Amino acid sequence: AQKVTQAQTEISVVEKEDVTLDCVYETRDTTYYLFWYKQPPSGELVFLIRRNSFDEQNEISGRYSWNFQKSTSSFNFTITASQVVDSAVYFCALSEAAGSARQLTFGSGTQLTVLP
Amino acid sequence: DVKVTQSSRYLVKRTGEKVFLECVQDMDHENMFWYRQDPGLGLRLIYFSYDVKMKEKGDIPEGYSVSREKKERFSLILESASTNQTSMYLCASSFTSRYNEQFFGPGTRLTVL
Repeated sequence: AQKVTQAQTEISVVEKEDVTLDCVYETRDTTYYLFWYKQPPSGELVFLIRRNSFDEQNEISGRYSWNFQKSTSSFNFTITASQVVDSAVYFCALSEAAGSARQLTFGSGTQLTVLP
Repeated sequence: DVKVTQSSRYLVKRTGEKVFLECVQDMDHENMFWYRQDPGLGLRLIYFSYDVKMKEKGDIPEGYSVSREKKERFSLILESASTNQTSMYLCASSFTSRYNEQFFGPGTRLTVL
């Protein structure tokens, strides 16, 4: 069975600080996909990034970066120079390659608050 | 842009009522999903559908049913609402591909009194 753990329930930082959101996953598959979603106060989940299990290259997109390490089963998300608009709940999710419809298993989410 | 819409943002119902939550997507996605979101529990899958008239149970199907008569529409039904079904309900859709990126609607916050 697959599982995603986001141990940080809530994080609070001051604007311009860097912050890292942790994600640890469990799966028996060798092929799988990892995702990060952002849920702002409006409620709609917004897709941020997808990674497959064969691509361990870190990715940077503006102030966002992701560190994927298969050796520790982690897929951490860093926001550099945080802004108030980054305040949201962030979810990490896992999808195994097999199976119909390819369901996502979500972590419990991390509430990030960026203070001005 | 992919658009997933849900019929209501907020809904208040009484215990025992039959409740319909509607979800429509405009991207011709094969797969559609219903989740509920509760504090500290993340998103939990209730039901999903990979084709018209097809459905599969997710992790927490008890007390719910679904209907998918058309490809673009996926309905969640609470046959007899109970207070423990008070929650945020999120609908999502996706193509059947290796990548399985899901697109979400804005959610329906349901309160059962």
